[in-house]
Amino acid sequence: EPEVTQTPSHQVTQMGQEVILRCVPISNHLYFYWYRQILGQKVEFLVSFYNNEISEKSEIFDDQFSVERPDGSNFTLKIRSTKLEDSAMYFCASTPSLGAQIEQYFGPGTRLTVT
Amino acid sequence: QKEVEQDPGPLSVPEGAIVSLNCTYSNSAFQYFMWYRQYSRKGPELLMYTYSSGNKEDGRFTAQVDKSSKYISLFIRDSQPSDSATYLCAMSARGIDKLIFGTGTRLQVFP
Repeated sequence: EPEVTQTPSHQVTQMGQEVILRCVPISNHLYFYWYRQILGQKVEFLVSFYNNEISEKSEIFDDQFSVERPDGSNFTLKIRSTKLEDSAMYFCASTPSLGAQIEQYFGPGTRLTVT
Repeated sequence: QKEVEQDPGPLSVPEGAIVSLNCTYSNSAFQYFMWYRQYSRKGPELLMYTYSSGNKEDGRFTAQVDKSSKYISLFIRDSQPSDSATYLCAMSARGIDKLIFGTGTRLQVFP
């Protein structure tokens, strides 16, 4: 069964460094998302992406964040200058968005630790 | 008032019990309702999705939506120790919209 994959599973970085989190959505899906979950808190929406542009972004998704779909398969989240409070699980999700098929399927996540 | 509220639990039940998990919400624009299961430090796994009001059944799981009360439920019949996880409700106004999640209810099913 197709699934969303994410790499790396765990990333440790120093404050102020840039990180790129990678996702491979399910191949025939059209909409892509990034969410994050700080330890012990709820899953929060960051950004949605369709047709090579951002559809919607949350207040969390400030100028330090960017997303890109550099080729036909990868979807990346870049944090330019990480802060301690960026430590969280980051989940990529995708949906086929065809008719009634709107379910969002999540990847296993990347645990980002900023020291 | 929070957009989506969910009792964090933990909820501890014996194997074989019927489990009821619930969420309330305040945004009347929500039309799509989902239940995810999440194991510790893993990604949310989609269990069920319901559009608008009504019931949906899948094996031991039944999802109910009551839009008039802004209340959704997930029932698990014949619960198993393998059902022990955190259950997240999530909802959106349009199918492609961002999902708004509840805090999750931690469920433990003991043998």
